[in-house]
Amino acid sequence: EVQLLESGGGLIQPGGSLRLSCAASGFTFGSYAMSWVRQSPGKGLEWVSSISGSGDQRFYTDSVKGRFTIFRDNSKTTLYLQMNSLKAEDTAVYHCAKGWVYGALFDYWGQGTLITVSS
Amino acid sequence: QSALTQPPSASGSPGQSVTISCTATSGDFLVYNYVSWYQQHPGKAPKLMISEVNKRPSGVPDRFSGSKSGNTASLTVSGLQAEDEADYFCSSYGGVYNVLFGGGTKLTVL
Repeated sequence: EVQLLESGGGLIQPGGSLRLSCAASGFTFGSYAMSWVRQSPGKGLEWVSSISGSGDQRFYTDSVKGRFTIFRDNSKTTLYLQMNSLKAEDTAVYHCAKGWVYGALFDYWGQGTLITVSS
Repeated sequence: QSALTQPPSASGSPGQSVTISCTATSGDFLVYNYVSWYQQHPGKAPKLMISEVNKRPSGVPDRFSGSKSGNTASLTVSGLQAEDEADYFCSSYGGVYNVLFGGGTKLTVL
């Protein structure tokens, strides 16, 4: 059974940094692309970033380029999202998802971790 | 700016059929056959229900079907059941490594 468990969320002040983790199990982690998708009441679902199985390809939505970095540790079957220079508009539940931006197919999702950016 | 537009709500009685639309306002979204539909119950993770316009992943009941015509994709739920009550989101690949999601439709089973 595929399981994706996010952690690392919380309340952070604007301009701050946070690192999210997603522990994966139930599939051959290093063979699959992984993504982050965020969900907020005002903006719905928004694709944030994707990384290839080997980690050599990474893509980001325009609003987070230069601020967020996606990376993975295949030996630990864990996906990460380093978020810097956080803004209020980054407030959302961040879901880890198994899948790749090309084709926009995300076949398994975690329940998500809430990030609140506020002073 | 491109968007995928869904009706905010839809409803039907048990046993009936309901169709949820997803319309691309501009750009290359829905040009490709990379349209997916996700079901989300409150407080739960989204679940993939349809991929590549009309493909059902293993375990998804055949009551769920997808289609596309022009710039509009649709999800049809036949034989509505109480457990189908949830939010449904469409998504589409728009080329140049870009993904859009629809705003979501809350399906109510009356």
